[in-house]
Amino acid sequence: EVRLLESGGGLEQPGGSLRLSCEASGFTFSTYDMTWVRQAPGKGLEEVSVISGRDGWVNYADSVKGRFTISRDDSKNTLYLQMISLRVEDTAVYYCAGRRGHGYAMDVWGQGTAVTVSS
Amino acid sequence: DIQMTQSPSTLSASIGERVTITCRASQSISSWLAWYQQKPGKAPKLLIQRASNLESGVSSRFSGSGSGTEFTLTISSLQPDDIGTYYCHEYDSNLWTFGQGTKVEIK
Repeated sequence: EVRLLESGGGLEQPGGSLRLSCEASGFTFSTYDMTWVRQAPGKGLEEVSVISGRDGWVNYADSVKGRFTISRDDSKNTLYLQMISLRVEDTAVYYCAGRRGHGYAMDVWGQGTAVTVSS
Repeated sequence: DIQMTQSPSTLSASIGERVTITCRASQSISSWLAWYQQKPGKAPKLLIQRASNLESGVSSRFSGSGSGTEFTLTISSLQPDDIGTYYCHEYDSNLWTFGQGTKVEIK
């Protein structure tokens, strides 16, 4: 069964840090481009960061550039998102998602992990 | 950055009615366009990719068309299970963009 399982969300104060993890199973994780997509309460979907499976190329939304770092450990089939200098506006459900490569849309999604930034 | 504009933002239709959602890209994205369905509290579900390719297991009531900057998602006969929010999504650029969503309700 193809599966993504996120963890690491929770309540954090502004300026704090969190590390999200996403464990993959049921597919060849190392070949997949992986992404973090977030959804603020009552809002739409926003892609936060992407890391390619082929060469590890990464990219970030302007809203998180310099504060978030995406990484992957293919030996552990796990995707990470290190978040520092958290802001209230980072409050959202964070989904990890994957696609099998260029030309494909994201067809594997986790169930999401909630991040709340509040004092 | 590519901007994706969906319309309408909310749609109310009767069971059995044909429903169409439009998505416009701010620049050409060829056919690198996907449609997702999201139900409350759930992750998005991929319905269509490459503008018109229906995902395995997705009802044939759903169809997609378009290329370049204009795309449509059509539900041929709206059913109760189709309620939710639909998002278009471009995956042509270096950081992919979603439309703002269309909430589909039953009249």
